[in-house]
Order: sequence, then C-alpha cells, then structure tokens
Amino acid sequence: AQTVTQSQPEMSVQEAETVTLSCTYDTSENNYYLFWYKQPPSRQMILVIRQEAYKQQNATENRFSVNFQKAAKSFSLKISDSQLGDTAMYFCAFTRPTGNFNKFYFGSGTKLNVKP
Amino acid sequence: DGGITQSPKYLFRKEGQNVTLSCEQNLNHDAMYWYRQDPGQGLRLIYYSQIVNDFQKGDIAEGYSVSREKKESFPLTVTSAQKNPTAFYLCASRRQGSTGTDTQYFGPGTRLTVL
Repeated sequence: AQTVTQSQPEMSVQEAETVTLSCTYDTSENNYYLFWYKQPPSRQMILVIRQEAYKQQNATENRFSVNFQKAAKSFSLKISDSQLGDTAMYFCAFTRPTGNFNKFYFGSGTKLNVKP
Repeated sequence: DGGITQSPKYLFRKEGQNVTLSCEQNLNHDAMYWYRQDPGQGLRLIYYSQIVNDFQKGDIAEGYSVSREKKESFPLTVTSAQKNPTAFYLCASRRQGSTGTDTQYFGPGTRLTVL
C-alpha cells in the first residue's frame, strides 16, 4: 500500500525568507509521480510542482523547487523568497503511472503562514 | 477556457434530502474523481471513473452515488444515507497518456452544509 506522510502540521516563515516543507512516502514501485498542491483560503487546489521518479534532476518552478531523494523516499518542497500569497495548505501527493487505474494518495497537509 | 467547473459553490440541504453536485470538464480527460475534505483535513476519495459508463468506489463511498454518462460530466449525489455530509467536495480529472503527463487537476469545489 502507498502512504504519504507530512510530519509538519503547521509552519511559519517571514516574508522573503526560505522555507522547506517535508514529505515522505512509502511504495515498492520504481516508477511513479510525486506532486505538491497548494490550497489557499479559497480552497481551490492548485498544482505547484510535479516530479517523475525516473528523473534524477529535481523539478523547479520559479520560486518553488523540490529535493527528491528516491532512496530515502523523501520529497521536500522549498519555497524561496516567500510571499504573502504563499499562505496556504500544502499537500504532497503520490500516484503510479496510468495503464491500470491508479489512485492519488495525499498527505494530511502542512499549513504554511507567511508573515509580513 | 479549458478547465473543471463545479456547481453550486455553496449548497444547503435539509436532513433527509438527496442533493446532486455537478462537475463538468472540457479538458478531454478520461478519468474523473470525487473527494471529500473535512475542516483541517486531507482529501478522501469517494468515487472515481476511468471511462464513460464505468466508475468505482473509493475509500468512503457509503451514502454517495455517481454516474458517468458523458465524458465531460461526473455528478455526485449525496443521499440521505450519508450521516454526516457537511463538508467541502472537490472534483478532479486526470490527464493521462504519454510518459510524463500524468497530472490531476481540480475544480473550485462545493461546500455542502446540512441544516
């Protein structure tokens, strides 16, 4: 069974600072996808970044980057130059490639507060 | 614009009533999902559909029903058998296909409150 664990229920960071959100997962698969989703107060789930397990290079999207450690089954999200608009719940998610239907597995979320 | 729409945004239901939440997508995605989110919690899978006229129960399907008569539409009915339906409901669809494209996209959600 696949599980996704986010061990930090809540975090705070000062505006313009850098923060790292942690995520670990458990799977016996070799090929899979990992995601970070952002859920602001509007509650719309927004894709932040995705990583394919077969790629060794860490994904980057502007101020957002990941540290993917496949052997350790770790997938942390780094937010650089934090902005007030980054205040949100962040969910880590895992899925296997399609072929047969595969569910998305979500962590319990980390609430990030960016302080002015 | 391409995307996923959910309606209504807010829905109020009296106890004993069935209500249907709408989910429509024009992304040409095959797979669609319904999730429930309770305050301060993560997402729990209610139902999912891989293709038209086929759907499967998720982790918390009791008290819910779905249909998938069209690729674009995946409505969720919350029945009177659902004992605690007050929650935020999210619909999603999944882009599938060639390697590197698997991604799930979400609608804006419907907040259901039982009076």
